[in-house]
Formats: sequence, structure tokens, C-alpha cells
Amino acid sequence: DTEVTQTPKHLVMGMTNKKSLKCEQHMGHRAMYWYKQKAKKPPELMFVYSYEKLSINESVPSRFSPECPNSSLLNLHLHALQPEDSALYLCASSQDKGLPIGLFGPGTRLTVL
Amino acid sequence: AQSVTQLDSQVPVFEEAPVELRCNYSSSVSVYLFWYVQYPNQGLQLLLKYLSGSTLVKGINGFEAEFNKSQTSFHLRKPSVHISDTAEYFCAVKLRDSNYQLIWGAGTKLIIKP
Repeated sequence: DTEVTQTPKHLVMGMTNKKSLKCEQHMGHRAMYWYKQKAKKPPELMFVYSYEKLSINESVPSRFSPECPNSSLLNLHLHALQPEDSALYLCASSQDKGLPIGLFGPGTRLTVL
Repeated sequence: AQSVTQLDSQVPVFEEAPVELRCNYSSSVSVYLFWYVQYPNQGLQLLLKYLSGSTLVKGINGFEAEFNKSQTSFHLRKPSVHISDTAEYFCAVKLRDSNYQLIWGAGTKLIIKP
């Protein structure tokens, strides 16, 4: 299995909703990442997990809450989002956080109403 | 501070013509260099990377790039493009001695004209 999978593909939520994005990889990679990408822009790093521990938080608002339940899974819990949080959320993994990312997931396209 | 500049926001080119997408970077330390492609409504895929060794790097889908240290450039080329190459292309660098992740260019949209 050489891919990063993300669910759901699309998500529409209201500002009072609580939802979660899920990311999975079975390549034995020990670093996993969440990126946010606005239209026609490069991705922006949000969080880095290394060996299931949060390694980097790029000053992301607390309405985004990451979780790494095991070495294959990465979640992003969403609560009280704003319309400006609408974006493509990409998950990625690499063998180690010091090594390049070769593979991103297809992303979850989030719309906040 | 480190930065990556993609000089063209859009590059229109006729099908079967050659193309070059330009990337320049600024860094006081050694870097690794990457090109990623994003097809419409999809995630990102690594096209090719330069870590060390030969400065001419071949990637997937017939793309190649050349690292030029003196000009701090890493331009992407393909000798003959196809409609299926229509996508956004991102150049990125990673500092060699840093665990930190990628510094991205703004992207270049490759538009293939039939």
C-alpha cells in the first residue's frame, strides 16, 4: 500500500458544527503532516507529527485540533470554524520528519458556511 | 531568509511543444530541491527531487530539472507536452540541516493549447 488516503473528499459544515478529517497511510512512515491550501496558492503547513507526537504547530488556531491515535492514522478535529477556513486540507507523510515528503493525500475540500 | 520564486504565474504552450518552468531560490545554506504537480481538483504529487549528485534530475511523466548552484535555479523542463500535463506546478526547497519542512514557490499554472 503506497498511498495516503483521506476521508471525506468533500465536507460542508456550519460554524457551530464539530467534524473530523481523517488521514491514513500504511507505508510505515513515522512523520505525518496537515497542510491547508487555499485556491491558487501553495500549501501552508499546519501540524507535524513525529512518532505519534506533535512536533510542530504552526500557530494554528485552537479551533483546529490534531490527533494521532497510532502510527498509521492522523485526524484533524474541527470545531467552530469560520468561513475563511474553507480550503483544501492535505495530509502527507514521510519516513521521518527530516526526510522529504514524497506523497500527499488527495485532500478534503472543506466549505464552512 | 530563504525564499522560492517562480517567475511565471502562467505558462501557455502548444501541445507537443517544449516547455520550461522557472524556479529560483534564495538561501544561505544548502538545500534540497523539489518540484510537485497538482492536477485539477487533486492533491500534490512529487515530480522529481534533487538531493545530491548529478545536477540533472529526471522525474515522472517525462519531466526533468537541472540544479544550477551558481544561479540558484532549478528549472523544470519537458521536451514535448501533452494535454494531460495541464496542472499547477510548485517548486519547493528544504534546508538540509533543518527538520523543518518545505518552503514553497507561488506556483506556475501550465496551460496546454491544442
